[in-house]
Amino acid sequence: QVQLAESGGGLVKPGGSLRLSCAASGFTFSDHYMSWIRQAPGKGLEWVSYINTGGTFTNYADSVKGRFTISRENANNSLYLQMNSLRAEDTAVYYCARTARLFDYWGQGTLVTVSS
Amino acid sequence: DVVMTQSPLSLPVTLGQPASISCRSSQSLVYSDGNTYLNWFQQRPGQSPRRLIYKVSNRDSGVPDRFSGSGSGTDFTLKISRVEAEDVGVYYCMQGTHVMFTFGQGTKLEIK
Repeated sequence: QVQLAESGGGLVKPGGSLRLSCAASGFTFSDHYMSWIRQAPGKGLEWVSYINTGGTFTNYADSVKGRFTISRENANNSLYLQMNSLRAEDTAVYYCARTARLFDYWGQGTLVTVSS
Repeated sequence: DVVMTQSPLSLPVTLGQPASISCRSSQSLVYSDGNTYLNWFQQRPGQSPRRLIYKVSNRDSGVPDRFSGSGSGTDFTLKISRVEAEDVGVYYCMQGTHVMFTFGQGTKLEIK
C-alpha cells in the first residue's frame, strides 16, 4: 500500500535552515508529481510546493518562494524540502502528499518549530 | 490567488442526521483539460488529512457511500447522508486547478 513517511522536523532558530525528507513506498515514485503542504498549529492547510516527475519543474507558494527548495531522488524514492531563512510563521506540521492537483495520499507529517 | 470560502465553519449535527458543507471559489475551477479539480478532505482529530472526494464528485476507495460531492464552476457541496460518530473532524475543500493551490478555511463537524 502507498506509504509516505516524513522526517527531519525539529526546533530551529529564526534565520536557520532545515531539510525535510519524505520516504515513499508502495507505488512507482517516479511516475508521480509530489507536493508539500503545511499546517500551522490549530490552523488550516496551506499548499507549499510541488515538483514534477523528473524533478525539472517546481512551483512554490508566494510565502516560501526564494527561501524553500523542493527536490527529489527517484532512485531512492525520496522527496525533500530544503528550508532556509526560517521565520516564526513557518512553524507548522509539514506533510508530503502524492501528486499535485489531487493530493491522493498524505504522510503523517513532521513538526517544524521556529523559535529562539 | 483563488479564494475558497466554506460555510458553515462550525457544524453541530445529531447522529443519523444529514449534513452539508458549502464551498465557493472566487474563480471558475474548470481546468484547460476539461476537469474540475475540486477535492474534499477529512481531518480527524490528531490525524493527517485524508482525501474523500476528488474532481467534484468521485468518491475515494474505502470512503462510505454516505459521503457525496456535487457542484460545478464555482459552487460545490459535500453532503453526508447520515452522520456517524466517526465523521467528527474538520472538512476542507481544496482547488487544484489554479496554481497556487488553495484550501478552504475548514468546517468543524461535531456531534450535537
